[in-house]
Amino acid sequence: DIVMTQGALPNPVPSGESASITCQSSKSLLHSNGKTYLNWYLQRPGQSPQLLIYWMSTRASGVSDRFSGSGSGTDFTLKISSVEAEDVGVYYCQQFLEYRTFGGGTKLELK
Amino acid sequence: EVQLVESGGGLVQPGRSMKLSCAASGFTFSNYGMAWVRQAPTKGLEWVATISYDGSSTYYRDSVKGRFTISRDNAKSTLYLQMNSLRSEDTATYYCTRDNYRGFDYWGQGVMVTVSS
Repeated sequence: DIVMTQGALPNPVPSGESASITCQSSKSLLHSNGKTYLNWYLQRPGQSPQLLIYWMSTRASGVSDRFSGSGSGTDFTLKISSVEAEDVGVYYCQQFLEYRTFGGGTKLELK
Repeated sequence: EVQLVESGGGLVQPGRSMKLSCAASGFTFSNYGMAWVRQAPTKGLEWVATISYDGSSTYYRDSVKGRFTISRDNAKSTLYLQMNSLRSEDTATYYCTRDNYRGFDYWGQGVMVTVSS
């Protein structure tokens, strides 16, 4: 099974600063079709999760361009530029290559 | 507007069964795979099961294989999760989600399942 490991944030993050969340997979998520099957989600307090980024770097519909995804086959980063109050919550990475597996989550708190 | 509305949760004793439902609207249900994701209290997200658009293929996490069954009724635009031999570790909020090839792009509000004597 593919294991997803997420890094922690040096919370709290000052408003207006950028924040980067890391995620590592135990196996390359690069498919033979050229797509990397890594997604990012945000779960705000008391809400259901929402899809932010799919295929490692493509923003989902309606997602702010302050969110950007990057990485290689096994190491990934979600960058949030100019953090705002609405960005507070827990961020999850997820692999979509073999079944589906989530990372343990990374909490973002605002200063 | 896409809507996913779960129902059927509650309190159940260990070893008993429970069936969750998810009513979908706002999109052509029969064109999409669907999934269940759960979240134990204060814990992270955990994928449970996925079913293909036509129901011909199903996938489960190891800890629920042989106990849970995901199914769908495309005529009713409804997704199901039959849960048997429930354990305390199955206690969680269960989310219905659309399993698009791009990710889980729509989520329900979740339904709580508590397994306790």
